[in-house]
Amino acid sequence: DTGVSQDPRHKITKRGQNVTFRCDPISEHNRLYWYRQTLGQGPEFLTYFQNEAQLEKSRLLSDRFSAERPKGSFSTLEIQRTEQGDSAMYLCASTPPGFHGYTFGSGTRLTVV
Amino acid sequence: GESVGLHLPTLSVQEGDNSIINCAYSNSASDYFIWYKQESGKGPQFIIDIRSNMDKRQGQRVTVLLNKTVKHLSLQIAATQPGDSAVYFCAELSSGSARQLTFGSGTQLTVLP
Repeated sequence: DTGVSQDPRHKITKRGQNVTFRCDPISEHNRLYWYRQTLGQGPEFLTYFQNEAQLEKSRLLSDRFSAERPKGSFSTLEIQRTEQGDSAMYLCASTPPGFHGYTFGSGTRLTVV
Repeated sequence: GESVGLHLPTLSVQEGDNSIINCAYSNSASDYFIWYKQESGKGPQFIIDIRSNMDKRQGQRVTVLLNKTVKHLSLQIAATQPGDSAVYFCAELSSGSARQLTFGSGTQLTVLP
């Protein structure tokens, strides 16, 4: 196991297109988080899953955003009808049961043109 | 709203000197604080954490100090090395069930040869 994996690393898309990102957490971690990071800022919480259940969503997560974790393992984050303001780094993180700290992936950098 | 913020956006130090990065937080109910290091193109990497019932914690070359009276955190890096050049964030862990992180905007540390 090499940590949290995210795919793709970079995505350039035209405004109005849909995009989907994938996150593979550390296998024994039951919690999975999505954060968004814009240039020069710290990451901001979007949503999290405990196993397959999505338990909390930030107000940042508009209805164009949807996240899934169907089998409690990998997760996908989809953005529909992308806007230029969606350009950011999307970070995934996972934590083990009992919470012993986050492990972040390297992120997916989205550029909407 | 509640936030975690940093005093200085950039810090330059000579190789071998000690570095001190400061952070102010506003949520007095926070019980857990974490420092992260983020290199270009990578996700945040855990450095050290501290619980609110402590005022100091030491790791390898790093020390975190917590002053709850003035809601201030600092990260001290001893004998700073070129590999320490990165953006450093303090983050506050929510006490709710989500255990989400609230990050500050970061300090860019540059180590000069």
